[in-house]
Amino acid sequence: GENVEQHPSTLSVQEGDSAVIKCTYSDSASNYFPWYKQELGKGPQLIIDIRSNVGEKKDQRIAVTLNKTAKHFSLHITETQPEDSAVYFCAVRTGGFKTIFGAGTRLFVKA
Amino acid sequence: GAGVSQSPSNKVTEKGKDVELRCDPISGHTALYWYRQSLGQGLEFLIYFQGNSAPDKSGLPSDRFSAERTGGSVSTLTIQRTQQEDSAVYLCASSQGLAGGSEQYFGPGTRLTVT
Repeated sequence: GENVEQHPSTLSVQEGDSAVIKCTYSDSASNYFPWYKQELGKGPQLIIDIRSNVGEKKDQRIAVTLNKTAKHFSLHITETQPEDSAVYFCAVRTGGFKTIFGAGTRLFVKA
Repeated sequence: GAGVSQSPSNKVTEKGKDVELRCDPISGHTALYWYRQSLGQGLEFLIYFQGNSAPDKSGLPSDRFSAERTGGSVSTLTIQRTQQEDSAVYLCASSQGLAGGSEQYFGPGTRLTVT
């Protein structure tokens, strides 16, 4: 089945710097790649997603890139702010119902 | 509008007791999903419903776990004879459909502690 690896597990950056989180997957048939942000005590919330026919997508300070050949995709957050501090999960879907999540990255943004 | 709601928000139970966790999806969402999140870990997929049907139950950890959905809306996850390793946050999500790009909206979760 699909396997998703996420790195790093913890990331600490200074406010204003950029943060990059990377994920790799194993199933070449995967076609939908969402990213979720989870704050303490809350459920995950979708922040950006990308489909397999697109290489890059941007939404304000957040961008996602996808390399289907290498089977990896990345989340980029620019001009980080303290409120970006949370756990971020990548996920992969293979055309069906099942979404496989990465193990998560705990991001700390220091003011 | 209202999002996905789950109840109870916290549940403490003794080992060996049964528990029921409830999920109210967003109105009109046909697909519903259950996940388990252990402390500091990612999300483990348990089961999904399309309408009232659960075609694939292979993600359930053991036969002590069961789930049902009635009226295409509310779903209940039942854990029988709870064990300490069942302690986790149980998350429910719903989406408009099962299509690959159909966004899942998550509830706040139920934190289950088995003592």
